Amino acid sequence: DAKTTQPTSMDCAEGRAANLPCNHSTISGNEYVYWYRQIHSQGPQYIIHGLKNNETNEMASLIITEDRKSSTLILPHATLRDTAVYYCIVDLRSGGSNYKLTFGKGTLLTVNP
Amino acid sequence: EADIYQTPRYLVIGTGKKITLECSQTMGHDKMYWYQQDPGMELHLIHYSYGVNSTEKGDLSSESTVSRIRTEHFPLTLESARPSHTSQYLCASHRAGRPRNEQFFGPGTRLTVL
Repeated sequence: DAKTTQPTSMDCAEGRAANLPCNHSTISGNEYVYWYRQIHSQGPQYIIHGLKNNETNEMASLIITEDRKSSTLILPHATLRDTAVYYCIVDLRSGGSNYKLTFGKGTLLTVNP
Repeated sequence: EADIYQTPRYLVIGTGKKITLECSQTMGHDKMYWYQQDPGMELHLIHYSYGVNSTEKGDLSSESTVSRIRTEHFPLTLESARPSHTSQYLCASHRAGRPRNEQFFGPGTRLTVL
């Protein structure tokens, strides 16, 4: 399975965009990029996913490079409630038999007032 | 909105006691999971199930056991709790298929073994 690399921590000012990078240089052609977040003491929550096109939903945008070796999660207007650990995961295959998630260390995003 | 429940939310118990952590989901999901997470550390998969009467060990070895007699219920049992079992236990269920595969997590059970 592909392994991801994320910065340990990042800071962002409230109201500004938060850009969280993720490297996944060994991703295979049929693997998706998923992002989850975990607010303190709660269970992780799905945010967004993509294969090779950029994606946007009500929570965030996902930008995947053309070679698919890295991606960026964008929270366009960060709020204090976005403070959480953000996980980038690439070992979940849509429709495949492997439905397990492997969480790494993630990035602790702290949104400051 | 995810409908997955865990009880108790907090449990403090003495060494040697038998405990069962409950997890239920009302979404009809076939796949369910148990994760263990120490404070400030990574989540580790300890058990999973692909359906009724299916249970598998996860990536992290655990002394706990699980059962899956009904689709909606996936309890985790520790026969004899020890201080090393102190941790947070998170249950999840899986929604498969397009447009996305997604795991829904419960609120967790924070276990302290004295």
